[in-house]
Amino acid sequence: EAQVTQNPRYLITVTGKKLTVTCSQNMNHEYMSWYRQDPGLGLRQIYYSMNVEVTDKGDVPEGYKVSRKEKRNFPLILESPSPNQTSLYFCASRPGHLSYEQYFGPGTRLTVT
Amino acid sequence: GQQLNQSPQSMFIQEGEDVSMNCTSSSIFNTWLWYKQDPGEGPVLLIALYKAGELTSNGRLTAQFGITRKDSFLNISASIPSDVGIYFCAGQQAGNNRKLIWGLGTSLAVNP
Repeated sequence: EAQVTQNPRYLITVTGKKLTVTCSQNMNHEYMSWYRQDPGLGLRQIYYSMNVEVTDKGDVPEGYKVSRKEKRNFPLILESPSPNQTSLYFCASRPGHLSYEQYFGPGTRLTVT
Repeated sequence: GQQLNQSPQSMFIQEGEDVSMNCTSSSIFNTWLWYKQDPGEGPVLLIALYKAGELTSNGRLTAQFGITRKDSFLNISASIPSDVGIYFCAGQQAGNNRKLIWGLGTSLAVNP
């Protein structure tokens, strides 16, 4: 089954404790993104990657890092999480940057206390 | 970041009613997409529009790419309880690194 998977689905952590949210897609897509979703603010792009070893900032990159060492994986790293990063996070992929039909993962609900 | 103007923000309707929502922008878009997000899930693509004036259906859903290329509309006919969720529009402008610009969503509630 074609899908985007994220882990963990739920995470409660404390301020400053580094964490990684994994994302993997099995559709051989070139383009991957991370979004956060907050009430009243919709979906905001954090980082995106147009291909392996190519990443770039989205609209709200502060406090986040990403890497794209393999085509299928695009982990999101919070080096020192803060309470304002409490949010619902979505990974997404699409075939290429010229294709706009994007597929989303199921989401990771992160709480930072 | 830039956002699309999506309205209405929320709707509460009776089962069987038709629903209309729209997205507008002051800028021209080359592509419009409509997504639905069920509670606790990620958004799922419903309809993609690539040409001004294009009218595309997916079951009871119909979406249109506005002639001015600055707006798009989504209609749902004969709503049912499983239509509940948040509907998002997204658009892509020429250039702009092919980034999608998103609306804030329309939350739909259906009373059985």
